[in-house]
Amino acid sequence: GDSVTQMEGPVTLSEEAFLTINCTYTATGYPSLFWYVQYPGEGLQLLLKATKADDKGSNKGFEATYRKETTSFHLEKGSVQVSDSAVYFCALSDYNFNKFYFGSGTKLNVKP
Amino acid sequence: NAGVTQTPKFRILKIGQSMTLQCAQDMNHNYMYWYRQDPGMGLKLIYYSVGAGITDKGEVPNGYNVSRSTTEYFPLRLELAAPSQTSVYFCASSLTHRQPNNSPLHFGNGTRLTVT
Repeated sequence: GDSVTQMEGPVTLSEEAFLTINCTYTATGYPSLFWYVQYPGEGLQLLLKATKADDKGSNKGFEATYRKETTSFHLEKGSVQVSDSAVYFCALSDYNFNKFYFGSGTKLNVKP
Repeated sequence: NAGVTQTPKFRILKIGQSMTLQCAQDMNHNYMYWYRQDPGMGLKLIYYSVGAGITDKGEVPNGYNVSRSTTEYFPLRLELAAPSQTSVYFCASSLTHRQPNNSPLHFGNGTRLTVT
């Protein structure tokens, strides 16, 4: 079945460091891919998405490119801020039934 | 615009008690979902609904029931609470779009449930 695997955390970085959080997926058909962010005590919020191969999703300085050949959707940011500290979830939605599958989440801690 | 609203925010139950977690959305979304998030884990789908009167099981449905009598409301029922159901529960909704404009999920802020 469909699934998402993302790197384990926590990831601890200093402010202005470069961020990469790896995400790979297994899916039949042509899924859409998403990154969600969860701040403490809150629900998940959509960060960015990509709906077909080679699409690049971007938002708030974060980027991720849908790579069909490597079945990956890695999240990157060139310069992280303390306010980026949160848990990041990679997710896919399947083609037919709009069901969503989530990775286990990666906690990011950014130190000043 | 309220989005997805969940109540209560916190609840402590004794083993064997029952309760209903409430979820309402005001975006006229057809699809609604219930997830649970265990500490340090990702989200697991409990039940979902593609429209009023239609529900289906997700990955972890045992011990739960749902109903969807209207588009707006999607309550989750725990009949006999067990310690294994201690978790944070999230309700979410989305539009019915399929590819290429597959729509994202909109989440509520969650209900933290403890069963002792």
